[in-house]
Amino acid sequence: KAGVTQTPRYLIKTRGQQVTLSCSPISGHRSVSWYQQTPGQGLQFLFEYFSETQRNKGNFPGRFSGRQFSNSRSEMNVSTLELGDSALYLCASSESSVANTGELFFGEGSRLTVL
Amino acid sequence: GQNIDQPTEMTATEGAIVQINCTYQTSGFNGLFWYQQHAGEAPTFLSYNVLDGLEEKGRFSSFLSRSDSYGYLLLQELQMKDSASYFCAVTLYNQGGKLIFGQGTELSVKP
Repeated sequence: KAGVTQTPRYLIKTRGQQVTLSCSPISGHRSVSWYQQTPGQGLQFLFEYFSETQRNKGNFPGRFSGRQFSNSRSEMNVSTLELGDSALYLCASSESSVANTGELFFGEGSRLTVL
Repeated sequence: GQNIDQPTEMTATEGAIVQINCTYQTSGFNGLFWYQQHAGEAPTFLSYNVLDGLEEKGRFSSFLSRSDSYGYLLLQELQMKDSASYFCAVTLYNQGGKLIFGQGTELSVKP
């Protein structure tokens, strides 16, 4: 079974631009969640999608958005990029709710650098 | 607010035992997770405790005390490959799809 796939793996943007990151979950997994990882703030929850609906949302500004498609693939978008958005963005999938299944499978992440 | 505390760094010797503690202050606590992350790699799931007590999985065990808002990860027979960051994380009753992570403990295993 293929793991969680994230694209692109690395990207460089400038302030004010926008970026779209993509995530393909493990086949059969319907829940996709996104996390931002930085050295200072650690791993922070962005949002979770299940069956194309946003089920949970973290404390990030509205510049951060996401969506999930009918095949469970997910995208997240960050608009009007700021220097502080430089981070590793991790996507994770699970069969249902992580609280029910107890296991979350992470992709290797998309490393975004904002100049 | 939600707060999770774990040590920032720990060092141990190959073959030894190390315990990584985690305390949490959250409302609506549901369960405690542990994840391992090697440098430059994705976090990988280690364990999940919902009930009080010890869960053993080979060299790794995890413990939870809900009354003390405390848990730990116990690593036995340490190997060099265990050098990594270890994160505890909690889920809440009404937000089952969301993990709240601690800052992580960077474990260095020395020969």
